[in-house]
Amino acid sequence: DIQMTQSPSSLSASVGDRVTITCRASQSISSYLNWYQQKPGKAPKLLIYAASSLQSGVPSRFSGSGSGTDFTLTISSLQPEDFATYYCQQSYSTSCTFGQGTKLEIK
Amino acid sequence: QVQLVQSGAEVKKPGASVKVSCKASGYTFTSYYMHWVRQAPGQGLEWMGIINPSGGSTSYAQKFQGRVTMTRDTSTSTVYMELSSLRSEDTAVYYCARGDCSGGSCYFPPFWFDPWGQGTLVTVSS
Repeated sequence: DIQMTQSPSSLSASVGDRVTITCRASQSISSYLNWYQQKPGKAPKLLIYAASSLQSGVPSRFSGSGSGTDFTLTISSLQPEDFATYYCQQSYSTSCTFGQGTKLEIK
Repeated sequence: QVQLVQSGAEVKKPGASVKVSCKASGYTFTSYYMHWVRQAPGQGLEWMGIINPSGGSTSYAQKFQGRVTMTRDTSTSTVYMELSSLRSEDTAVYYCARGDCSGGSCYFPPFWFDPWGQGTLVTVSS
């Protein structure tokens, strides 16, 4: 299986900050990388698909980049509703795998 | 709107089986693959398998081979995930998620999960 490693595992930031989360794959996955946001007690929500495409309805402060093995999710100006856990997912293989998550907390 | 609605929470004893349902609405049920993902308490997301609602073909994660069965009922636009020989480590929230893509078969990459069901908590305890 392709291993996905996110960093950091947790992050404290303030409203208005610019935040970057990274995701590294154990092998090249082209641009087959998705990002999800999960709030406590809720199902994950798709933010970014195919590394850099913004899902409809997702605020433009979210952006994704990368290809091959290294990817980033950037939130340009944190809003109160952005404090959540973020997961990357590779869909290079049908047996997709997720990163371990990055918990974004209020400083 | 596209929606996936799952069955309610379950409490099972070790060794028993559980069957979780996921009812789809708002789109053509047979046109999109459905995935199952689980999340143990305080842990990350783990992919379990995929079912083609059109023909019923399935593919399971190796970890669950022999214990999981995914089926569908096209008359009610519902997919099911049954997990047998339950143990305490199977305590988790189980999600169904529609596999989406830009076109063509969403079995092959690139694909993504949207939307997700609300989740079903399965608790395994003696």
